[in-house]
Parts: sequence; C-alpha cells; structure tokens
Amino acid sequence: AQKITQTQPGMFVQEKEAVTLDCTYDTSDPSYGLFWYKQPSSGEMIFLIYQGSYDQQNATEGRYSLNFQKARKSANLVISASQLGDSAMYFCAMRGRMDSSYKLIFGSGTRLLVRP
Amino acid sequence: AAGVIQSPRHLIKEKRETATLKCYPIPRHDTVYWYQQGPGQDPQFLISFYEKMQSDKGSIPDRFSAQQFSDYHSELNMSSLELGDSALYFCASSLLSGEKLFFGSGTQLSVL
Repeated sequence: AQKITQTQPGMFVQEKEAVTLDCTYDTSDPSYGLFWYKQPSSGEMIFLIYQGSYDQQNATEGRYSLNFQKARKSANLVISASQLGDSAMYFCAMRGRMDSSYKLIFGSGTRLLVRP
Repeated sequence: AAGVIQSPRHLIKEKRETATLKCYPIPRHDTVYWYQQGPGQDPQFLISFYEKMQSDKGSIPDRFSAQQFSDYHSELNMSSLELGDSALYFCASSLLSGEKLFFGSGTQLSVL
C-alpha cells in the first residue's frame, strides 16, 4: 500500500528565510510521481512542483525546490526567500502507476506560517 | 489556459436533502477524480472515471453516486445529506498517462 507521511503539523518561518517541509513516502511501485500542493485559506489546491521517480535531477519551480532522496524515500519541499503569501497548508502527495486509476494520495499536511 | 471548473462554489443544504456537484475537466483530459476534504483533514479519494467509465472507488458512501457524461463533465450526486457530509469537494483531471493532476477550486458544501 502507498503511504505519505508529513511529520510537521505546523511550522513557523521568518520572512525572507528558507524553510524545508518534510515528506516521506512508502510504496512498492517502481514508477511513481511525487507532488506538492499549496492550499491557502481560500481553499483551492494549487500545484507547486512535481518529481518523477526516475528523474535524475531534483525538481525546481521558481522559489520551490524538491529535495528528492529516493533511497531514503523522502521528498522534502524547500521554499527559499519566504514571503507572507506563503502562509498556507502544504500537502505532499504521491501517484503510482501500479494503481489502476493513478489517483493521488495525500499526506496529512503541514501548516506554514510566515512571520513578518 | 483552461482549468478545471467546478460548480457551484458554495452550497448550503439541509439534512436529508440532495446535492449535485458539477465538474468540467481540462479539455482532452481523459480522467476525472473526486475528493472530499473535511475541516482540518487531507483530501480523501472518493471515485474516479476514465473515458466515462468508473475506474476506481474509494471511501464513497452508498448515498453518493457519480457519473461522467459524453462531454466528459462529471457530476457527484449526494442524497440523504448528513451533517458529516459538510466538506470541501474537489474535482481533479489529468491524462491517465500524464504526470500531473490539476484541481478545480472546489465546492464548499455546508449541511445544516
């Protein structure tokens, strides 16, 4: 069975500093994708970054980067130069090709609060 | 670029009433997923469709049903609503073979 674990229910970061949100996963699927989504208080689920299990390079999207350590089954999100607008809930999610519907399964989320 | 469209954005119902949520996937996406997110919870998978056929089923109550139509839009029908059905309901679409999955803005259902 696939599982995503986010061990940080909440985190604080000072504006303009970098922050790392942890995510570990468990799967027997040899081919899978890892995702991070941001959910602000307005509720929408905003796609941030994607990492494929066979990608050699760590994914980056602007201020977001994914620290992918396949052997350790971790996919931590790094946000550089935090902004007040980064305050939100962050979900790590996984999609595996052994799953017939390729559905996403989510971790429990980390609430990030950026302090001015 | 076109995104996943959900309607309505907000819905208020009484207990035991019915509700219908609609989802219009991104054009040419062949797969639709429905998720339920309770307050303070992570999204839980309900049901999915691939090319208008149900492809997977999660923790969806028997009171709920869903279908995907010939134009690929999908509807989630919820009957005999209970207070515990109050949640944010997301629809998402993707290409089954694609890497990324995109979410709509969600429908906030409140059952009073």
